Formats: sequence, C-alpha cells, structure tokens
Amino acid sequence: KNQVEQSPQSLIILEGKNCTLQCNYTVSPFSNLRWYKQDTGRGPVSLTIMTFSENTKSNGRYTATLDADTKQSSLHITASQLSDSASYICVVSAGVGDKLVFGAGTILRVKS
Amino acid sequence: NAGVTQTPKFRVLKTGQSMTLLCAQDMNHEYMYWYRQDPGMGLRLIHYSVGEGTTAKGEVPDGYNVSRLKKQNFLLGLESAAPSQTSVYFCASSLRDRVYDEQYFGPGTRLTVT
Repeated sequence: KNQVEQSPQSLIILEGKNCTLQCNYTVSPFSNLRWYKQDTGRGPVSLTIMTFSENTKSNGRYTATLDADTKQSSLHITASQLSDSASYICVVSAGVGDKLVFGAGTILRVKS
Repeated sequence: NAGVTQTPKFRVLKTGQSMTLLCAQDMNHEYMYWYRQDPGMGLRLIHYSVGEGTTAKGEVPDGYNVSRLKKQNFLLGLESAAPSQTSVYFCASSLRDRVYDEQYFGPGTRLTVT
C-alpha cells in the first residue's frame, strides 16, 4: 500500500535553533518527492521537489535530502524564525496512475 | 496575477442542504483539482480535471460533483451535505500533470455541516 509517514507529528523549538523533519514512504514506483509549507489558514506552498537522482536540494534556509534506497527524506531548517511556524507536508509521486500520496504533516512551532 | 482563488472562505450548512464552491485560476493551467483536508490526515483528492469540459474521479468522490465549463474555473458541488463532509477544501491547479508539474493551491474553504 502506498503510504507516506511523517515524524514527529509536532515540534516546538526556540527561535534561532535548527530542526529536522522526517518523511518515510512506501510509494512505488517512485517519481519525485516534494516538501510543502502550509501556514495556518492558507494553502500549501511548494518548498522543494526532488527526483530519484537528487540527494540534496536547498531553498534558502530549507534543505531537503532524499535517500531513495531507504525511502527516506528529511527537511532541515536552519536558524529558525517565527515565520517558520507552519505545517510541513511531504508528498510522494508514483510514476504511474497520476498518483500523489500526501503525508499528514509535521506541525512546527517556533517560539521566541 | 491572483493565482488560485476560492469562494467562499467559510460556510456553515445544515445536513441536506446543497452548495457550490468556486475555484478560479489566472495562470492558464490545464489541470485543476479539488482536495479535502481533515485533521491528522493527508490531503485527499476528490475530483480533478485535465482540461476544459473534462472531469474525473479522485480518491474520495462520493457525495460531490464537479464541472469545468471554462478553463479558468472549477466548481465543486455538494448536493446533500452530510456532517462527514465537514472539512477544509482546497483547489489546486497545474500546467500539466501534477505528478511532474508544480501544483498551486488556493487559500481553502472551511465548511462545517451541522
């Protein structure tokens, strides 16, 4: 069964600290993996998209890694800011059947 | 350039009532989608459209209907609302197939069915 599991479910960190969010998937065949940021009351916004051949991709203070062998991805946030408080969603695409599998998200709260 | 917009932002319905959610995009995208988001679950696809005049079922289509009469608009209808349809609804669009192309999401509609 195609699944995307994210951990932790929620996380609280102090402003300025780093954090890492995890995504494990069983989607097959794999096409690409995306990380979205969803602010409260808003729609998801894309942070990164990674294909099979990409191990690391950065977008400002956000760095995503992908290990296609172990079917794991992580999103690392450096020097967190209050505006990073949001839900972070991992989405994996299957190469057939127009299939996108969404994770439930990790809720991050950055406090001062 | 407004991107993807949704109307209304909030709505409360009684069981059995009907309503239509409107999605509009100004990016000339071919593909449009309706999702629902429930607490503790990932976004689930309700219906989608691959072009003007086309519609197709997603993962959870029961109780919903859609229409795409114009390329820029995608309507989601609830014929007889049920409490199980209480959710946040998101519209999205992409230039081509969402598997390979970026999806752009609207701000969402929060629907409560009592």
